[in-house]
Amino acid sequence: EVQLLESGGGLVQPGGSLRLSCAASGFTFSSHVMSWVRQAPGKGLEWVSAITGSGGNAYYADSVKGRFTMSRDNSKNTVYLQMNSLRADDTAVYYCARFYSYYFDYWGQGILITVSS
Amino acid sequence: QSALTQPRSVSGSPGQSVTISCTGTSSDVGGYNYVSWYQQHPDKAPKLMIYDVTKRPSGVPDRFSGSKSGNTASLTISGLQAEDEADYYCCSYAGDSYVFGSGTKVTV
Repeated sequence: EVQLLESGGGLVQPGGSLRLSCAASGFTFSSHVMSWVRQAPGKGLEWVSAITGSGGNAYYADSVKGRFTMSRDNSKNTVYLQMNSLRADDTAVYYCARFYSYYFDYWGQGILITVSS
Repeated sequence: QSALTQPRSVSGSPGQSVTISCTGTSSDVGGYNYVSWYQQHPDKAPKLMIYDVTKRPSGVPDRFSGSKSGNTASLTISGLQAEDEADYYCCSYAGDSYVFGSGTKVTV
């Protein structure tokens, strides 16, 4: 059974940093692109980033480019999202999702990030 | 990248059919056959319902179907059931990124 479990969320001040983790199990982790998708309170879904199975290439939405960095450790079956220079509009539930072909086939339960002073 | 346009809400009675549209541009929906749809119940993670415009993952009821014409994709739910009441989001590949729709609340 595919499982994705996010951790590392919480309250952070504007301009601060936070690192999210997503521990995966139930599939051959290194064979899959992984992604982060977020959802601001009461709003729709927004794709944030994706990383190839080897970790050699990462892709970002314009809204987070230059501030967020996605990485992975295939020995730990874990992906990370390092978020710097956080702003109020980064407040959202962040979902870790497994990527297959051109869609997101499995999702974690999500973790809330609140950027506020 | 702007969000794809979906109606804010649609409604139907049990057993009826509803269709949700998802309008983009030639740079996303119209340019690729890589539209997917996700169902989201309150305070739950999204669930994949349709991928590659028309394909259904194993376990998704066949009353859910997808189509596309030009820059607009559609999700049809036939034989509406109470458990179909949820938010639905389309998503399209856009070259080097992915763009989601604004979301549609389906009320049964």
